[in-house]
Order: sequence, then structure tokens, then C-alpha cells
Amino acid sequence: GESVGLHLPTLSVQEGDNSIINCAYSNSASDYFIWYKQESGKGPQFIIDIRSNMDKRQGQRVTVLLNKTVKHLSLQIAATQPGDSAVYFCAETFNQAGTALIFGKGTTLSVSS
Amino acid sequence: EPEVTQTPSHQVTQMGQEVILRCVPISNHLYFYWYRQILGQKVEFLVSFYNNEISEKSEIFDDQFSVERPDGSNFTLKIRSTKLEDSAMYFCASNTPGAPYEQYFGPGTRLTVT
Repeated sequence: GESVGLHLPTLSVQEGDNSIINCAYSNSASDYFIWYKQESGKGPQFIIDIRSNMDKRQGQRVTVLLNKTVKHLSLQIAATQPGDSAVYFCAETFNQAGTALIFGKGTTLSVSS
Repeated sequence: EPEVTQTPSHQVTQMGQEVILRCVPISNHLYFYWYRQILGQKVEFLVSFYNNEISEKSEIFDDQFSVERPDGSNFTLKIRSTKLEDSAMYFCASNTPGAPYEQYFGPGTRLTVT
């Protein structure tokens, strides 16, 4: 059954604002939690991952936070740009090659300028 | 930058017909995957493939589905007798052993079963 899900189906922000996209997961045994971005008409694209033994990881303009106590994952996008408009999926997997990514339902981020 | 490619971009077929969806993974990748996405829903795992064998498959991947790597570059998904509910976007993905969380997805094939 589904083990990864998102709190809100849509999020609308103004260009330049910070965006926070949330996700709740249920499988504490997963080794990695990941965020993927899917632009219209394209396949999912990897953004950032976090290992289960970490609570924060930063990338370029993005930060992922993992709260294992409440099984919550979030993606923060700084200074959101129109090009960030897409559907964002959280996913989880195990640290084993060839293992499935288990995706949650997406959040559609709309950035207006 | 190398990318996963898929053909065709859109396939329309009648219920009961066989379809083959084709993918060319990134050349130095060793693990290959198929996922599907029904319109407006989440991406669902179907199967993973390594060293000419299925590594893992989901409940969706029943006897109607099969995968093959017919040569050194192509990776195919066959649906033997399509059903209306098989209508979806089908994504191929690939990756290397070192980063199981980072899979590279193709643009997808939209399958429409009428």
C-alpha cells in the first residue's frame, strides 16, 4: 500500500518567495527519502535526497528536512522562480541498487511573477 | 548530458492488442526500471531489471507484462493484451549502483487504450 503522501495538492506562491512543500511517510525502514520534480510533459527529475540518519540537507536553493519523530519530510525552495513551477513528489527507497522508488502523491507548485 | 529516451511518445491501441514500449537507457547505467503514471496520479513502480533479470516487481506487473533487453542499448516493456485501465504514461528510468535514490527518467510514452 501507499506509504508516502503529501499534505497539500497545490501551492501557489509569488516569485521570490520561499516555498515549503510537505510530505508524510509511514515506512520508517526506508534508507533514503527523495524529492523529484516533474515538469509538464516530462518525466520526474531528481532534486535532492536525504539519508534516514540525517535531519537536514542543503542543495542549491533547496533544503530538505527530515523529522523522523513525526515521519515528516519537507522541501524548502528559496527565492522561488517561475521555472520552479512543476509537480513535486516525495519518494522513498532502500539502499540497494535496483530497488523501487515509492512515490507519494504530488504537490503542484505554481509560481506567479 | 546523456538522457533516457523513449519511443513512441504516444501510442494508441485497441483493447486486447499487444503493445511494446521502447526505451534507451543511459549507456553506462546498469539498472533499468519501468514506472507508470495514470493521469493526475502518482508515479507507480512496475519493475526493475539488472543483468538480464528482473530484480523486483510490483503487484501491477502481472503476467500480462514482460520486459526485455533485446540488445545492448534497448529496454522494452510489452503488454500482451491491453486493457482500458492500462491507459497511462509509462516512464523508463535507469541508474548506476552507487546512487539507488537517483534514477534518471525518460520523457514517457503516453499509452491510450480504446
